[in-house]
Amino acid sequence: AQTVTQSQPEMSVQEAETVTLSCTYDTSESDYYLFWYKQPPSRQMILVIRQEAYKQQNATENRFSVNFQKAAKSFSLKISDSQLGDAAMYFCAYRSADPGNQFYFGTGTSLTVIP
Amino acid sequence: DARVTQTPRDKVTEMGQEVTMRCQPILGHNTVFWYRQTMMQGLELLAYFRNRAPLDDSGMPKDRFSAEMPDATLATLKIQPSEPRDSAVYFCASGLVLGDGTGAYEQFFGPGTRLTVL
Repeated sequence: AQTVTQSQPEMSVQEAETVTLSCTYDTSESDYYLFWYKQPPSRQMILVIRQEAYKQQNATENRFSVNFQKAAKSFSLKISDSQLGDAAMYFCAYRSADPGNQFYFGTGTSLTVIP
Repeated sequence: DARVTQTPRDKVTEMGQEVTMRCQPILGHNTVFWYRQTMMQGLELLAYFRNRAPLDDSGMPKDRFSAEMPDATLATLKIQPSEPRDSAVYFCASGLVLGDGTGAYEQFFGPGTRLTVL
């Protein structure tokens, strides 16, 4: 089974600053997808960004971008211009190419945004 | 506004009682996943279905847990009898897989059911 590791249980960032959350994964597959989900106190899991492994270009969604290093099996999330609403648990997730396959989640990083 | 719905949102029960959690996947989605989230274990897959058929339930304690899809619009997760260690948030997620193997990239999560077993 694939494993996803988030080595930072907690992170904090000053409002308007930039923070990077780390994620590594282990797989023998060549085609897969990677995701970052946000879970605010409401519990709702919200998709932040996704990356297709076959794409070399790093995905970007507004203030959120990833640094995808396929050879290193690394997938970090950068949040620019942090806002108070970014405070949440962030989960990195892996899914193989088959869209019906399960997701493998990391243990999460709790992000605090300091006003 | 298509979304996954789950009921109840919160459930407090006593040890030994039966608990049933319900999930309504997004209309048209044919894949349903049940996850359990705890502080210690994080998000664990319990079971998942495609076209109402169970594909994998290896993450589920078989002696007390059961998952079914009576129809395409309803998935249920039942615990009988419940134990304090079952206290967790249970998430349902749905997705779409097309006949040619393609489909939606992401899973769409419901708001979860927070279960507390006393």
